[in-house]
Amino acid sequence: EPEVTQTPSHQVTQMGQEVILRCVPISNHLYFYWYRQILGQKVEFLVSFYNNEISEKSEIFDDQFSVERPDGSNFTLKIRSTKLEDSAMYFCASSEAAGYGGGANVLTFGAGSRLTVL
Amino acid sequence: RKEVEQDPGPFNVPEGATVAFNCTYSNSASQSFFWYRQDCRKEPKLLMSVYSSGNEDGRFTAQLNRASQYISLLIRDSKLSDSATYLCVVIYNFNKFYFGSGTKLNVKP
Repeated sequence: EPEVTQTPSHQVTQMGQEVILRCVPISNHLYFYWYRQILGQKVEFLVSFYNNEISEKSEIFDDQFSVERPDGSNFTLKIRSTKLEDSAMYFCASSEAAGYGGGANVLTFGAGSRLTVL
Repeated sequence: RKEVEQDPGPFNVPEGATVAFNCTYSNSASQSFFWYRQDCRKEPKLLMSVYSSGNEDGRFTAQLNRASQYISLLIRDSKLSDSATYLCVVIYNFNKFYFGSGTKLNVKP
């Protein structure tokens, strides 16, 4: 079964350092997403990406965050200067399509990258 | 007001019990609805989509009530392996997915 893969599975970093989280979405999927989940809290939307540009972003996704699809297979999330409150599980997800119905809009998640900021 | 609201639980039920969760959503323009399951420290995984006419997948039944803006999930004959957090997910505005905070289910022997 096709899957979304994420690396690293766990990263520990010092406050103020830059972090890049990597994702390889399912190959025929066109829509890519980053979500985060702080321990014990809900899954929160960060950003969606389609056709090499951001299509939606949340208020969490401020200037410290950026996304990129550098080579047609990887989808990365960069946090420029990490803060303690960035500690969370970051999930990448992809879908074949967007919109309503038909089943192709279902999100498939990667296993997540746990970020710990000290 | 939250976009998607769920009772956080936990729901503690014995094996074999029937349990139901509800989820309410605030935006009447919401068009697609899902239930995801999340095990502790794992990624959310699709349990089932929710269709207007209601749908069933084995022991799981999902219902949508547009008039009252809620969706429900019914689990019959609960198994120990059903213990997880169940996330209600609503699509609004084409590809913006809103997640509920999840309802925790503990099935006990």
